Amino acid sequence: SQKIEQNSEALNIQEGKTATLTCNYTNYSPAYLQWYRQDPGRGPVFLLLIRENEKEKRKERLKVTFDTTLKQSLFHITASQPADSATYLCAPAGGRGSQGNLIFGKGTKLSVKP
Amino acid sequence: DGGITQSPKYLFRKEGQNVTLSCEQNLNHDAMYWYRQDPGQGLRLIYYSQIVNDFQKGDIAEGYSVSREKKESFPLTVTSAQKNPTAFYLCASAPRSASAGEQYFGPGTRLTVT
Repeated sequence: SQKIEQNSEALNIQEGKTATLTCNYTNYSPAYLQWYRQDPGRGPVFLLLIRENEKEKRKERLKVTFDTTLKQSLFHITASQPADSATYLCAPAGGRGSQGNLIFGKGTKLSVKP
Repeated sequence: DGGITQSPKYLFRKEGQNVTLSCEQNLNHDAMYWYRQDPGQGLRLIYYSQIVNDFQKGDIAEGYSVSREKKESFPLTVTSAQKNPTAFYLCASAPRSASAGEQYFGPGTRLTVT
């Protein structure tokens, strides 16, 4: 069955550093992958989408890469701030045999210390 | 003020009772989704609807039922057959399903059954 793994449950970094979150998937060839941010007790908020034919996507301090050979996406937050502290979810979707529904990873909880 | 709303935010029920969670959107989206989130777990798809008067089971539909009589509304009923109903329930919508579009999430309903 399709499996989504996010590298760790929690990641602690110092303010100003770059946070790198990893999303690996197996038994799956998604056509695109989305990243969401979720704050405690709230619904996820969409951040970025990257398609299988795109290597990299950027939005302000955020950067996402998508390596279909490694079956991995990396999510970077540069110059991190305490306000970036949240849980980040990756969600691959699409691809052959898929109904297009998102499959969510368990998330990585990022804590940025001042 | 466009968006997706869920009510109530907190819901308490006794075991054996059915309970209906509300989800409304004024984004004119065709697709709507219900997810369940448990601590340490990713979002799991319960039901989804691509068009009015049609819906499909997701990965964990047992013990749940839905209806889609209006485009803007997609209520979820948690029946007494659901063995572990206590969870955080999230509703989402998208312009159309099976596409690369982002999903817009509501604020969630936390259901506690005792």
